[in-house]
Order: sequence, then C-alpha cells, then structure tokens
Amino acid sequence: DAKTTQPPSMDCAEGRAANLPCNHSTISGNEYVYWYRQIHSQGPQYIIHGLKNNETNEMASLIITEDRKSSTLILPHATLRDTAVYYCIGRSQGNLIFGKGTKLSVKP
Amino acid sequence: EADIYQTPRYLVIGTGKKITLECSQTMGHDKMYWYQQDPGMELHLIHYSYGVNSTEKGDLSSESTVSRIRTEHFPLTLESARPSHTSQYLCASSELGGEANEKLFFGSGTQLSVL
Repeated sequence: DAKTTQPPSMDCAEGRAANLPCNHSTISGNEYVYWYRQIHSQGPQYIIHGLKNNETNEMASLIITEDRKSSTLILPHATLRDTAVYYCIGRSQGNLIFGKGTKLSVKP
Repeated sequence: EADIYQTPRYLVIGTGKKITLECSQTMGHDKMYWYQQDPGMELHLIHYSYGVNSTEKGDLSSESTVSRIRTEHFPLTLESARPSHTSQYLCASSELGGEANEKLFFGSGTQLSVL
C-alpha cells in the first residue's frame, strides 16, 4: 500500500510555475505515481503518471525522485483555470486512494 | 475525450424512497467504480467492478448496492434513502490492464440530497 502526503493548500501567481509536492515514502517498486485534479464540483481529471523517469505531457510535468519516495507535479505556466484540488494518488489493497489533496489557488 | 455519463446530475428526494443513480460509458472499459464525496472532503471508494457480473465493496462501507449486467452500465441503488446518504456520487471507469493503464475517467457526478 502507498500512502501519500500533500500540503493542504498552495497559492501561485498567474503565469508562474506551480510546483506541487507529494511524499509517497511507502510506495513499492512497481507502483506508478498518478496525479489527478478536481475542479470545483466536477469529477476528477487525470493529469499524468510515471514510474521512475520524469514525464511530460501537454498538461504538466512530473518529477520523481531517484528513491521514488516523493514527486513534484509542475504546471509550467499556471492560469486561473488551473485553480483546483490536486491529488497525488495512493493505493490500498490494489485500489486507488484519493486523499485530501492540495488546493491550488492561482491568483491574478 | 472521456465518454462516461451520469444521470441525474442533481436529485432531491424524500426519506424512504428507492433511488437508482445511472452510470454509462462508451469506451468499452472493463473496470468501473463508484466514489462518494462530501463537500471539501476526500473521495471514498464504495463499489467497483472488474467486468460483467463482478461487483466488489470498496473501502467505505455503504448501504447502496450495484449491479453490472452489461459492460457499459454500472447503476447504483439505494433501497431506502436517508438524509445521511446526502452526498456527491462519482462514477469512473478504466481499462483493466495493470497499473500502467489505470487511468480513471470520471463522470460529472450526481449530487444527491435526501430530505
């Protein structure tokens, strides 16, 4: 099982990079790190996932430390529409666990 | 884009009524899930299914039941609604191919209010 720890909230200025950290010290060697976000009252949306190497897609970049005990989600140029709760996903008995996440507020 | 639909979007109902929340997906995904979420709180997994005729209970105990008669359809039923069932219910689906493919697609949710 992989438990995750994230700061409850963060602020970011519009146009700047948002760096969201996550600790997952209990992650096992073959478990992927997944990130989702949830914009107010909507269903969560997949952002990115990775195993060992850093990953980048059109939404974000994911940096995973070499020991895999933590990762950082990077939104390179945050916009107001990126205001949401960001979840670094843990795992319990094979199922994905959404913790409380980090509430990111992007401010003009 | 994801094609997973939940109806109704909002439901206000009296105590004791039987309700069914609908969830359908057109992606041919084998695995489907129901999560429950109170405002500002975590999502809790209440039911999931690996495919037709498969249903499993999640981490959070729930008085609701589910069925999976068709791949694309995963309805959730409450036999007798109570105010404690007031919550948002989120349906999701994913491929069944190990962790590398465990990308969940969520519906827009059903906001249930039991008076």
